[in-house]
Amino acid sequence: GAGVSQSPSNKVTEKGKDVELRCDPISGHTALYWYRQRLGQGLEFLIYFQGNSAPDKSGLPSDRFSAERTGESVSTLTIQRTQQEDSAVYLCASSARGGSIYEQYFGPGTRLTVT
Amino acid sequence: GENVEQHPSTLSVQEGDSAVIKCTYSDSASNYFPWYKQELGKRPQLIIDIRSNVGEKKDQRIAVTLNKTAKHFSLHITETQPEDSAVYFCAARGNTGNQFYFGTGTSLTVIP
Repeated sequence: GAGVSQSPSNKVTEKGKDVELRCDPISGHTALYWYRQRLGQGLEFLIYFQGNSAPDKSGLPSDRFSAERTGESVSTLTIQRTQQEDSAVYLCASSARGGSIYEQYFGPGTRLTVT
Repeated sequence: GENVEQHPSTLSVQEGDSAVIKCTYSDSASNYFPWYKQELGKRPQLIIDIRSNVGEKKDQRIAVTLNKTAKHFSLHITETQPEDSAVYFCAARGNTGNQFYFGTGTSLTVIP
């Protein structure tokens, strides 16, 4: 079946502009994660959605970052007033439920470059 | 919060030899430790995982060991093959149950 998809695959933007990244999880997956991966680094947790529960936003690095999710479907990550240090690959993952017993399936990522 | 350290950052082995990657974690409440393989330009994929109530788990050529007392866990790949070449990430699930903390990755190269 279809895996996690993300769009766009690449995004180049000027410093100060806003960007919106999209994630389509696997159908039926209630849990959704956003991560940031800087070049040569590990994955940095940003935000977690589980069903209709309040999202865990504890990983968002600043108030310029926000994310929304409509029910158990698509999620968007918005970065306002982008800075050069926001340049990274943004990965989305979904799992059947939250918690350790459910494998996270990753999307292909969006490579964001802020010039 | 949790802090995961991973070593080595790069590793080269001859085809057929074994490879070992080690990770340490700081939060004794962490209870789940997955390993991901990320090939160049591709998404991370889960290759094996272990829960805190288990000391070792094996899946064909891949095994993971966990030492809760010392707070470290290791990935073992035996009889390495060129297609094992990739970046491997360890992770630990924090005690909140939502956050996964990742190591900085190990770039493994298997030389034919």
